[in-house]
Amino acid sequence: AQKITQTQPGMFVQEKEAVTLDCTYDTSDQSYGLFWYKQPSSGEMIFLIYQGSYDEQNATEGRYSLNFQKARKSANLVISASQLGDSAMYFCAMRSAHSGGYQKVTFGTGTKLQVIP
Amino acid sequence: DVKVTQSSRYLVKRTGEKVFLECVQDMDHENMFWYRQDPGLGLRLIYFSYDVKMKEKGDIPEGYSVSREKKERFSLILESASTNQTSMYLCASIGALDYGYTFGSGTRLTVV
Repeated sequence: AQKITQTQPGMFVQEKEAVTLDCTYDTSDQSYGLFWYKQPSSGEMIFLIYQGSYDEQNATEGRYSLNFQKARKSANLVISASQLGDSAMYFCAMRSAHSGGYQKVTFGTGTKLQVIP
Repeated sequence: DVKVTQSSRYLVKRTGEKVFLECVQDMDHENMFWYRQDPGLGLRLIYFSYDVKMKEKGDIPEGYSVSREKKERFSLILESASTNQTSMYLCASIGALDYGYTFGSGTRLTVV
């Protein structure tokens, strides 16, 4: 069974500082994908970044980067130069192929990030 | 852009009522999902469907059923609503070649 663990229920960061949100995962699959989603107070889920299990380079998207350490089974999200608009709930998730070939995504419990002016 | 539309943003129902939550996507995605989101528990998968008329139980299917008569529409049904089903419900879809889900805006259901 797949499992995603986010051990930080809440975090604070000063505006313009960098912050790392932790995520560890557990799977026996060889091929899988890891994501981060952002959920502002409005409730919408916004896709941020994706890392495939065979990707050798860490994924980056603007101010977001995914620190992928396969041997440790960790996929931490790094947000550089935090902005007030980054205040939100952040979810780590893992996609794996379900038996039968279709996709299934498992989510962590989330980290609430608050950016302080 | 892919759009996933959930019919209601907020819903208040009485205990024992039959409740329908509707979800429509416009990108011909094969896979559709229903999650519920509760504080401290993250998103938990209720049911998913990988094709028309096909459905699979997720991690917490008890008290729910689903219907997928057309590819673009995936309905979540609460047969007899109970107060412990008060939650945020999120619908999502994904195509075979996509990286991640596209989510609807969510339905906040309150059962009184």
